Amino acid sequence: AQSVAQPEDQVNVAEGNPLTVKCTYSVSGNPYLFWYVQYPNRGLQFLLKYITGDNLVKGSYGFEAEFNKSQTSFHLKKPSALVSDSALYFCAVRALNSGNTPLVFGKGTRLSVIA
Amino acid sequence: EAGVTQSPTHLIKTRGQQATLRCSPISGHTSVYWYQQALGLGLQFLLWYDEGEERNRGNFPPRFSGRQFPNYSSELNVNALELEDSALYLCASSLPRPRDLNSPLHFGNGTRLTVT
Repeated sequence: AQSVAQPEDQVNVAEGNPLTVKCTYSVSGNPYLFWYVQYPNRGLQFLLKYITGDNLVKGSYGFEAEFNKSQTSFHLKKPSALVSDSALYFCAVRALNSGNTPLVFGKGTRLSVIA
Repeated sequence: EAGVTQSPTHLIKTRGQQATLRCSPISGHTSVYWYQQALGLGLQFLLWYDEGEERNRGNFPPRFSGRQFPNYSSELNVNALELEDSALYLCASSLPRPRDLNSPLHFGNGTRLTVT
């Protein structure tokens, strides 16, 4: 079975400081990993994905994520946070050979960037 | 290109009634997914349709059902509404398997269902 854990319900960071939102996963075989962001009263927007290749993936709005196979982690990072980054962030996973298994999401982490 | 569209935006029902939610996928996408986002529970997978067939179903009771039409749009029906069905219902679309495996889902803005 596939699963995703986002251990922090809430992350607070000062504007201009680096931010990290944590994600660990569990799948059988190789994973496809995704990060999404959700602003109030909106659907989820795709930020970035890891499929294969370089462990450091760059995405939209200056975000990046590092895939670590040994730690089964895919943490989201940004060097300098903006107040406008405040939102709900979701990590998601599916296995390479997942058949008819859908994308599985974590419970989300609320990021608050304080001016 | 037009994104995934969902209607209505908001829906208020009383307990025991039925609700119908609608979704139109991005042009060229044949797969439609439904997720429930209840407060504090993250996204829970409900249903997945592809080419008119149900591919998978999440751990929800049978009163949650749906269908996909020949134009790939989809309906989610919830019968005998209960208070705990109050949530944001999100629809997403994608290319069909296997092309969707390494592609992101595209989400609509959701339907906020309130059951009183």
